[in-house]
This record gives sequence, C-alpha cells and structure tokens, in this order.
Amino acid sequence: DTAVSQTPKYLVTQMGNDKSIKCEQNLGHDTMYWYKQDSKKFLKIMFSYNNKELIINETVPNRFSPKSPDKAHLNLHINSLELGDSAVYFCASSQGTSLGEQFFGPGTRLTVL
Amino acid sequence: AQSVTQLGSHVSVSEGALVLLRCNYSSSVPPYLFWYVQYPNQGLQLLLKYTTGATLVKGINGFEAEFKKSETSFHLTKPSAHMSDAAEYFCAVTLYPGNDYKLSFGAGTTVTVRA
Repeated sequence: DTAVSQTPKYLVTQMGNDKSIKCEQNLGHDTMYWYKQDSKKFLKIMFSYNNKELIINETVPNRFSPKSPDKAHLNLHINSLELGDSAVYFCASSQGTSLGEQFFGPGTRLTVL
Repeated sequence: AQSVTQLGSHVSVSEGALVLLRCNYSSSVPPYLFWYVQYPNQGLQLLLKYTTGATLVKGINGFEAEFKKSETSFHLTKPSAHMSDAAEYFCAVTLYPGNDYKLSFGAGTTVTVRA
C-alpha cells in the first residue's frame, strides 16, 4: 500500500552516463514534484507537474528532463551525469497545486563516480 | 518571495526534556507553514501544518507549533523527547493565496536525543 514509490533506491554510476529515476504514486493526486537534497541536507525543488503539465521548472541544467506519462507517474532522466549530481532525489505528490500536504517518496541516492 | 530560517542546525536534548526547534519566515502575504520530519534514510513526513484559524497547531507524535504573526515565527515543540524523535526536521512555507506552488524549505535542524 505504498503511497509514493521510487526506483531505484540506490544508483551508482560513472560520470558521463545517462540514467533515469522512476516515481509512481497511488494516492490519486494530480500534482507531482522532484526535489534534490544535497550532502548538507538542503532540499530544493526541481520540477513540478500538474495533470501532466509542467508548472515549475527551477534553474536546473537541461541535462535533467522530467517526463510525466500520466498523472500517477513522474520520471526523471539525467544525461551526461556529473560529480555534482550526486545527491538524494525525492519525488513527492499532492492534491492540487496550492498549499496542502506533499507526500514524499523514500528517495533515490545517486552517486556519480 | 518567501523564505524560511531555521535557527540552530543541530539540537541535542536529553530523553524526557523539552524539544524546541525554531523557525522564522518572511512573507509578504499570509503564509501557510509546515513542519516535516525526515528519519534516517527515509523521505519526509508531515508533522503538522498551519493554514488559517487556530494559531496553535497540534501534530503527530506529540509535536505542536504556534504561529506568531507578530514575530513571524512558527516554532516547533514537544514537551518530552523520546529516543525515536532523533531525526532531521524541516520548516517550510508556501503562499496563500498566490500563484507560487512551491514549498520553500529551511536548511533543517538535526535532533539528537541523549539517553
């Protein structure tokens, strides 16, 4: 009965590779988010989709490309991985685009070697 | 734009002692305020939130927070710490009403509980 799930939980890869992280929510929410948490635990939003439409696109390198095939899924593809991309990436969802509680996934720890 | 400042990146308390985590915000319009908790190797979980109405908000696990507009604060407290409260705590703010759908998080406060 997992609410927000992410795969994989851990991802170790070499610089220059391309990788994807998948997120799924079974809460019936219409809004999904990607956050990046750095080594100092600072949490910053990257993207948000509402009903499959991109509504938040923070200053993120264009190597990062989100894709939302439907309201329940939001995937994150990263091209040409760099050392600085190493972080924990969290997916979250909420009902509606304003306020309200966001439900977070367990995170994907990405390590770029 | 809104922002959040959490005073103290690390708080250490004895088991059974008061837990007090400080959060101040800046916002040009009435804010919605949140406290989230992150246990080791897990995602964030909502502890409590303030939207409108009663300024003293009760959350899960015995935590509560009070919205003080005059002080632009939303401090989190728990009367008696338990070992299981050891975690990272984040204060967050968003705007209402407004077009800004984003949660802005503070830098987090790490809580350790001594036996």
